[in-house]
Amino acid sequence: QKEVEQNSGPLSVPEGAIASLNCTYSDRGSQSFFWYRQYSGKSPELIMFIYSNGDKEDGRFTAQLNKASQYVSLLIRDSQPSDSATYLCAVNTPTGTASKLTFGTGTRLQVTL
Amino acid sequence: DTEVTQTPKHLVMGMTNKKSLKCEQHMGHRAMYWYKQKAKKPPELMFVYSYEKLSINESVPSRFSPECPNSSLLNLHLHALQPEDSALYLCASRLWDREEYEQYFGPGTRLTVT
Repeated sequence: QKEVEQNSGPLSVPEGAIASLNCTYSDRGSQSFFWYRQYSGKSPELIMFIYSNGDKEDGRFTAQLNKASQYVSLLIRDSQPSDSATYLCAVNTPTGTASKLTFGTGTRLQVTL
Repeated sequence: DTEVTQTPKHLVMGMTNKKSLKCEQHMGHRAMYWYKQKAKKPPELMFVYSYEKLSINESVPSRFSPECPNSSLLNLHLHALQPEDSALYLCASRLWDREEYEQYFGPGTRLTVT
């Protein structure tokens, strides 16, 4: 079982719709969770960080965390063509000496006109 | 300001060359990271520095040599690389190397080994 799993997509949504991206993780010791957006050829850009169970909202983005189910999701409301990118879920797991981010393989989102 | 800078943006080097990648941040972050990213793959952690000390080396070949001269600067020295080392090299930083803090990436250096 992979440590962090995401559907690779592509996930295609029409402009103005809600895009729902999902991520599951295997390590129950994981404490914090990140969503990065990555455009082709560019570096990952942090768009959401969540540490506590429940929802966290920032503009059009909402992250949802359920540690009991080992599940984290990202909702993008009013999707725009500029949201078309790969979304990487990352899970932070403390090790003995440091914290380590483990990434999923990413979900490619396409927002269509 | 959440800016991490990296130089150069692009680098082409031969297998016998020695080169260095540079990463800088002025946010007072005390944890800095090197990642390698191949096309259509997620970033893979290479090294973690915390308080200028190497705390994680993910079994990276010795032809990659990290250095953290001070809390704002991180280098990656490259020597005798192989063509399969061609990738996007990403630097990241974090206030502390603890799970409750965000991690920010720099723009990356696109490395091509010929």
